[in-house]
Amino acid sequence: GDSVTQMEGPVTLSEEAFLTINCTYTATGYPSLFWYVQYPGEGLQLLLKATKADDKGSNKGFEATYRKETTSFHLEKGSVQVSDSAVYFCALSAYSGGYQKVTFGTGTKLQVIP
Amino acid sequence: EAGVTQSPTHLIKTRGQQATLRCSPISGHTSVYWYQQALGLGLQFLLWYDEGEERNRGNFPPRFSGRQFPNYSSELNVNALELEDSALYLCASRRAGDSYNEQFFGPGTRLTVL
Repeated sequence: GDSVTQMEGPVTLSEEAFLTINCTYTATGYPSLFWYVQYPGEGLQLLLKATKADDKGSNKGFEATYRKETTSFHLEKGSVQVSDSAVYFCALSAYSGGYQKVTFGTGTKLQVIP
Repeated sequence: EAGVTQSPTHLIKTRGQQATLRCSPISGHTSVYWYQQALGLGLQFLLWYDEGEERNRGNFPPRFSGRQFPNYSSELNVNALELEDSALYLCASRRAGDSYNEQFFGPGTRLTVL
């Protein structure tokens, strides 16, 4: 079945450091890929998405490129802020058993310290 | 555009009781998804409703059930509550005709079972 593997957290960075959160996936067909963010005490918000190979999703300084050859969708940001502290979920959407199903990774907690 | 709303925000029950959680999707969204997020764990898919019908369910016992109303709002019912049901329950909705399955999440209901 489909699966998403994220790097385990927590990830602790100093403000203005470079961020990479790795995400790889297994899916049949051509999934759409997403990054969601969950701030403390809140639900998930869509951060960015990519719907086909080589697409780059970007939002709020974050970006991720859909790499079909390496089945990856790594999240990057050049300079993190304290306000980026949250849990980040990688997800894929693909047809499975006749339905379009979303599979989430386990989440990676990011803590940014001043 | 109003987002996905969930009620109540917090719910405290004792073992053996029943809990009812409610979700109102974004206007124009016909699909509702329910997820369980237990402490320290990722999102576990519970149920998917579309156009009033249950389309798919995750690996949860039958005491987790729900329904979707004609206005597309949804209820999640958990019978015979157990301590391990304590979790954040997230509802998400999807726009009719969206082929990428981008989901919009509510803030969640925090269920505590004592």
